[in-house]
Amino acid sequence: EAGVAQSPRYKIIEKRQSVAFWCNPISGHATLYWYQQILGQGPKLLIQFQNNGVVDDSQLPKDRFSAERLKGVDSTLKIQPAKLEDSAVYLCASSLEAGGTQYFGPGTRLTVL
Amino acid sequence: DAKTTQPPSMDCAEGRAANLPCNHSTISGNEYVYWYRQIHSQGPQYIIHGLKNNETNEMASLIITEDRKSSTLILPHATLRDTAVYYCIVRVLTDSWGKLQFGAGTQVVVTP
Repeated sequence: EAGVAQSPRYKIIEKRQSVAFWCNPISGHATLYWYQQILGQGPKLLIQFQNNGVVDDSQLPKDRFSAERLKGVDSTLKIQPAKLEDSAVYLCASSLEAGGTQYFGPGTRLTVL
Repeated sequence: DAKTTQPPSMDCAEGRAANLPCNHSTISGNEYVYWYRQIHSQGPQYIIHGLKNNETNEMASLIITEDRKSSTLILPHATLRDTAVYYCIVRVLTDSWGKLQFGAGTQVVVTP
């Protein structure tokens, strides 16, 4: 069974630029999550989708971050404009259903200069 | 805020059992105990979870105290590949769709 795929694996941008991350969850998984992991800390949930609807985006900085999952499969997370403090690893995870075991992708390491 | 307390680090000798403690003194009756680990430069990996009974799978065993205020993850024969950060998480399956709240975890280093 293929795992959660993410791209790119690494991205370096300058502050005020825009960036987008892509996630392909495990086939058939209805729930998709985006986490932010700052160096030395545990992952923090940014947004959770159930199919193509948002069920929790309480930790998403909505003035600069946006995410979508239009067809209930792939998802993109965008930052516009980026700030220095956005430097982190962005992890995507999926589960068969809400409350199910979450399986994580390898993450995208973002460096904002 | 995370609802668990873990030691920041611990060492373990290769081939020996690794016993990772976790305190969750404020756990509620509908909260499960989950364990994930994160190997360097990888995403977190699910290990095991339990409610009140001890659980075992191919990766580890989970021992939960009778009062459920603490638990221990046991890696029976640690290998160098078990070097990782281990996260203990309590999770309510009926709240916010069961989101995971990670703390800082325990950095486990397995030495030859």
